[in-house]
Amino acid sequence: QKEVEQDPGPLSVPEGAIVSLNCTYSNSAFQYFMWYRQYSRKGPELLMYTYSSGNKEDGRFTAQVDKSSKYISLFIRDSQPSDSATYLCALDTGRRALTFGSGTRLQVQP
Amino acid sequence: DVKVTQSSRYLVKRTGEKVFLECVQDMDHENMFWYRQDPGLGLRLIYFSYDVKMKEKGDIPEGYSVSREKKERFSLILESASTNQTSMYLCASRPLNRGNTGELFFGEGSRLTVL
Repeated sequence: QKEVEQDPGPLSVPEGAIVSLNCTYSNSAFQYFMWYRQYSRKGPELLMYTYSSGNKEDGRFTAQVDKSSKYISLFIRDSQPSDSATYLCALDTGRRALTFGSGTRLQVQP
Repeated sequence: DVKVTQSSRYLVKRTGEKVFLECVQDMDHENMFWYRQDPGLGLRLIYFSYDVKMKEKGDIPEGYSVSREKKERFSLILESASTNQTSMYLCASRPLNRGNTGELFFGEGSRLTVL
């Protein structure tokens, strides 16, 4: 079993839709939770970061962590064509490198 | 601005060739990492380094080696390239204390094709 599971998609939504992206994990040592966004032919860039259970909001983006269920989510409100990218969850024990999910490819149709 | 530079964006090599992938960061970060990215598998850690001349194996080190002679430079070496090493290679760095968020700063990637 992989440490981090993420649905690879692709996910295609119309502009303005609410998008939900999810990861599950098995290692309870993960303490820090991130979402990276990767545009085509570019390196990943940090989008959201949190270290506790609950919600964290930044503009149209909300990161949600449920440590008891080992489940993390990223919600995108009022999605835009510029949000079309691959979204990767990344988890960190704080003692090593990040462990990434496989990434979900999102396409927002204008 | 934070910068991680991978010298080669696209390479085509033949089976058995020795391949060097170079990565330079200008942020004075202690930690540097090499990942490979494949469809459906995400990013997998090959090697990382906490300091000059220090290295540690990641999850998939077989067929790879690394070199860190200077703090700003971390090289990935494929001693004898094979077709199953065709992939996107991503270099990343972050400070020793993880910074405020633990963020990894990535280069733009090196796409290697082994024929």
